Amino acid sequence: GNSVTQMEGPVTLSEEAFLTINCTYTATGYPSLFWYVQYPGEGLQLLLKATKADDKGSNKGFEATYRKETTSFHLEKGSVQVSDSAVYFCALRASETSGSRLTFGEGTQLTVNP
Amino acid sequence: KAGVTQTPRYLIKTRGQQVTLSCSPISGHRSVSWYQQTPGQGLQFLFEYFSETQRNKGNFPGRFSGRQFSNSRSEMNVSTLELGDSALYLCASSLEGIGSPLHFGNGTRLTVT
Repeated sequence: GNSVTQMEGPVTLSEEAFLTINCTYTATGYPSLFWYVQYPGEGLQLLLKATKADDKGSNKGFEATYRKETTSFHLEKGSVQVSDSAVYFCALRASETSGSRLTFGEGTQLTVNP
Repeated sequence: KAGVTQTPRYLIKTRGQQVTLSCSPISGHRSVSWYQQTPGQGLQFLFEYFSETQRNKGNFPGRFSGRQFSNSRSEMNVSTLELGDSALYLCASSLEGIGSPLHFGNGTRLTVT
């Protein structure tokens, strides 16, 4: 079956530090990949996406590249801010016939200290 | 453009009761899906509706059901509530097409006592 594995959290960084959150996946075919972010008390917000191999998604300074050879979609940011503190979820949509069915990783809690 | 709206935000029910949650999608979005979020199981897909028809279903018991109306609004129902049904229930809407992102509401926090 399909699955997503994220690096274990929580992750605590100082402001302006470099961030990497690892994400690897298992899926047949050619899935679409997503990173979502969840702030306290809120639903999930799409952070970035990639729909085919070697695509790079980017938004608000965050980046992730769809690596089919390593089945990975690691999230990176060069300089984190306190406002980036949240839970980050990696997710995949297996195929077009999956509709809105996403498979999520377990989430990684990020805390950025001033 | 208004986002996905879920009502109510918080709900407390007693074991054995039933509950109905409501979701209004973003205007123009025809797909509505539901997810359950718990600390132990994470985010799990419940079901998806498109044009009033259930298109996908996750691995939940039949106590969990849903429907979609002609205006794309959706409801989910949980009957004979169990303590383990306590969770944040998230609704998401989307357009069609591969790579179309899901837009989530803020969720309904259900507590079963």
